[in-house]
Amino acid sequence: AQSVSQHNHHVILSEAASLELGCNYSYGGTVNLFWYVQYPGQHLQLLLKYFSGDPLVKGIKGFEAEFIKSKFSFNLRKPSVQWSDTAEYFCAVTPKAAGNKLTFGGGTRVLVKP
Amino acid sequence: DTAVSQTPKYLVTQMGNDKSIKCEQNLGHDTMYWYKQDSKKFLKIMFSYNNKELIINETVPNRFSPKSPDKAHLNLHINSLELGDSAVYFCASSRFSGSTGNEQFFGPGTRLTVL
Repeated sequence: AQSVSQHNHHVILSEAASLELGCNYSYGGTVNLFWYVQYPGQHLQLLLKYFSGDPLVKGIKGFEAEFIKSKFSFNLRKPSVQWSDTAEYFCAVTPKAAGNKLTFGGGTRVLVKP
Repeated sequence: DTAVSQTPKYLVTQMGNDKSIKCEQNLGHDTMYWYKQDSKKFLKIMFSYNNKELIINETVPNRFSPKSPDKAHLNLHINSLELGDSAVYFCASSRFSGSTGNEQFFGPGTRLTVL
C-alpha cells in the first residue's frame, strides 16, 4: 500500500517570503501526484497535479511543484507568499494501477503573517 | 452552481443515534467518494462508488454504510454513533480514472459531532 509523508506540520512565514513544502511518497510503481489546499473553513481545492511529462508542474495562484522520481518526492513551492495563502496544504498520491484511490499526507498548516 | 454539495453542513447528535449524510454532484462524474478528516486534519478514504457499484471499501466499521441510488448521489448512513465518529466527512467525485488518474472534486464537508 502507498503512503505519503509531509515533513513539516506547521510553517510560519512572513508575506513575500518563499515557501517550500516537502512531500515524499512510498510506492513501488508509477503514481499520479496532487497538491490540494484547504483554506480556513473551506473544502479542498486542487492546486496542481502531475500525471506524466515535464516533472515541473505549474498550478494555480503561482504555485509549482517538482516531481523527482529518484527521490520519490513532489515538493510544492511558491516564490513569494501572500497572507491569503494561509491554509492547510495536502500532498496526495494515487497509483496509476488504481487511479481512484487517493492517499493523503498528514497536511502542512501554513500561516502567513501580514 | 455548487459542483459537489453535502447536507447537512453541521450535525450534532448523541451517542447511539443513527444519522445520514447526503452528497450530490452535478459535474456528470461517474465516481464518488467518502473521506473522513479527523481532528488532526488527517484525511482518509472510506468508500468509493463507480456507477453505483462499490469499488473501494477501506477498513471502516460495519456501522458505516454507503448507498448510491444513482451516479449523482452518494449517501452515508452511520448506525450507533460513537464519540470517535466525530470528524469532518467529505464527499468527492471524479470521472472514473482506471489507470490514468483524474482530479477529485470535493464537497464542503459535514462536521459531525457526537456527544
